[in-house]
Amino acid sequence: SAVISQKPSRDICQRGTSLTIQCQVDSQVTMMFWYRQQPGQSLTLIATANQGSEATYESGFVIDKFPISRPNLTFSTLTVSNMSPEDSSIYLCSVTTVTNEKLFFGSGTQLSVL
Amino acid sequence: QKEVEQDPGPLSVPEGAIVSLNCTYSNSAFQYFMWYRQYSRKGPELLMYTYSSGNKEDGRFTAQVDKSSKYISLFIRDSQPSDSATYLCAMSPSWGGSEKLVFGKGTKLTVNP
Repeated sequence: SAVISQKPSRDICQRGTSLTIQCQVDSQVTMMFWYRQQPGQSLTLIATANQGSEATYESGFVIDKFPISRPNLTFSTLTVSNMSPEDSSIYLCSVTTVTNEKLFFGSGTQLSVL
Repeated sequence: QKEVEQDPGPLSVPEGAIVSLNCTYSNSAFQYFMWYRQYSRKGPELLMYTYSSGNKEDGRFTAQVDKSSKYISLFIRDSQPSDSATYLCAMSPSWGGSEKLVFGKGTKLTVNP
């Protein structure tokens, strides 16, 4: 398994500002992902974080709004830019490890935008 | 029609009851089926996974897949208050992180002591 530390755990932000969420894993992982969990909605994949290169975004998500970095095998950040109340959601980091391909999740970041 | 449909509940049962959680899906390419449990203010954790049709048992939990009906179930026997959580079904055409999972919306379960 993998221990995933995600921070902040929650934040309240003003409209128009940006928030960067950090994800740190205790072991080397094969893939890192960022998900969004909106109230009453399915977990939705935002993007795959690629080490040393641009992230791969899913339909409906763009780099300008959700820039992602992954400088090494165990760390990634997701920035939610120019926030609006519609961005209020839980954002989750997830990983698959080298030893198996199961998907593990961090505890999430509860974001509220006023 | 959404790829995965899951009744969001909420579902409330007394302690000791048998719980049945279900999902239906439309994509016949799905081969791998998973159930995640998510406690409040926590990330989802993998509870069980199955491949293709059939049953899989793990303690009080049984996962069942019926590909002909495109229907999967999770049964919880002798439910406990500690089982109170949101249960998410997820499925994928292949195994591994390279193929993204499609999740249901989750069913919120409360087991009352």
